[in-house]
Amino acid sequence: RKEVEQDPGPFNVPEGATVAFNCTYSNSASQSFFWYRQDCRKEPKLLMSVYSSGNEDGRFTAQLNRASQYISLLIRDSKLSDSATYLCVVIKTVNSNSGYALNFGKGTSLLVTP
Amino acid sequence: GAVVSQHPSWVICKSGTSVKIECRSLDFQATTMFWYRQFPKQSLMLMATSNEGSKATYEQGVEKDKFLINHASLTLSTLTVTSAHPEDSSFYICRVVGGSLYEQYFGPGTRLTVT
Repeated sequence: RKEVEQDPGPFNVPEGATVAFNCTYSNSASQSFFWYRQDCRKEPKLLMSVYSSGNEDGRFTAQLNRASQYISLLIRDSKLSDSATYLCVVIKTVNSNSGYALNFGKGTSLLVTP
Repeated sequence: GAVVSQHPSWVICKSGTSVKIECRSLDFQATTMFWYRQFPKQSLMLMATSNEGSKATYEQGVEKDKFLINHASLTLSTLTVTSAHPEDSSFYICRVVGGSLYEQYFGPGTRLTVT
């Protein structure tokens, strides 16, 4: 079983729609969680951190469920510019000596259409 | 402005040649640098971790003699792909880390095509 799993999609949604992605992780000792956004042929960019209490940033809401070991990202009122691949990222251990090695999911592809 | 740069951004080389990719942190001293590889429609795969002044730690399955990493200073790490093969064609991305979990940045990536 892979450490971080995501539905690759693609998710095709019309502008204005609400879309949700889920991600599951296998290591219960995982400590930190993030969603990254990656545009085609570009480096990943941090979208937001994920906390058990939930984290909202404008149209984006991230949630962590430790008991079920999954992370979600909700995008409301989708814009054309939201089209990208969304990567779920899990950090297994927070160790300053290891420099925070990230485990990436394969990513979920989102295409927002007019 | 950009915090991390990579050079070159795109390189085409012939099979059997070596290619050097540079990763520079521009505004801060990076205690650790990571090198990733990403094939089309795949996730980023960690290749190696390097700390300034010490030997890189390679992930399982990554040949250290083929992918040479030199972390010469707190602002520069290089990845050299030796005797490149077409299957080495990929997107190579570095990530630099400062002193905290949130002080981490990706380079813009280098697209390598081996013909």
